Amino acid sequence: GENVEQHPSTLSVQEGDSAVIKCTYSDSASNYFPWYKQELGKRPQLIIDIRSNVGEKKDQRIAVTLNKTAKHFSLHITETQPEDSAVYFCAASKGTGGFKTIFGAGTRLFVKA
Amino acid sequence: DAGVTQSPTHLIKTRGQQVTLRCSPKSGHDTVSWYQQALGQGPQFIFQYYEEEERQRGNFPDRFSGHQFPNYSSELNVNALLLGDSALYLCASSFYSGGGETQYFGPGTRLLVL
Repeated sequence: GENVEQHPSTLSVQEGDSAVIKCTYSDSASNYFPWYKQELGKRPQLIIDIRSNVGEKKDQRIAVTLNKTAKHFSLHITETQPEDSAVYFCAASKGTGGFKTIFGAGTRLFVKA
Repeated sequence: DAGVTQSPTHLIKTRGQQVTLRCSPKSGHDTVSWYQQALGQGPQFIFQYYEEEERQRGNFPDRFSGHQFPNYSSELNVNALLLGDSALYLCASSFYSGGGETQYFGPGTRLLVL
């Protein structure tokens, strides 16, 4: 069945270092890959997304890469700050005329000051 | 510009009861998706509504049903509640464009089944 695997489950970095979260999806028909940040007790917030016709996208300190052949996509956060501490979820979406989004299990990121 | 809203914020029910959760999409959005998020896990897709019809469904039993109204708001109904239905229920809205639309989440309804 459809599945998105996310690693690592927990990541601890020093402030200013980079953080990388990796995801693998199973359904080759997936064509949209959003990343969400969820702080404790709050709703998931979209931080960046990428579509299957693009290999890389960057927005300030955040970048996402997509390898369709390997069915891998990754989130890169540079110059991490304490306020980046949260749970990050990757997701893979497919469909036209209605779509289904499958989320990874999440990565808890701790940024130590 | 109002964002996605959900009601109620919290709910306590007992096993076997039925519950209805409500969602109003972001202004300009016409599609609503519902997710179940258990503690410490990622959101699990329940179903998606567009043009008042269920367009996609995840692996949830028929106890989970929904509805979308002409104003694009939506309801999630869960019958015969089980302890395992305790979770945060999130709705997300988007504007239909054929697939891969950006979704914006509501604050969620936290359901506790005793």
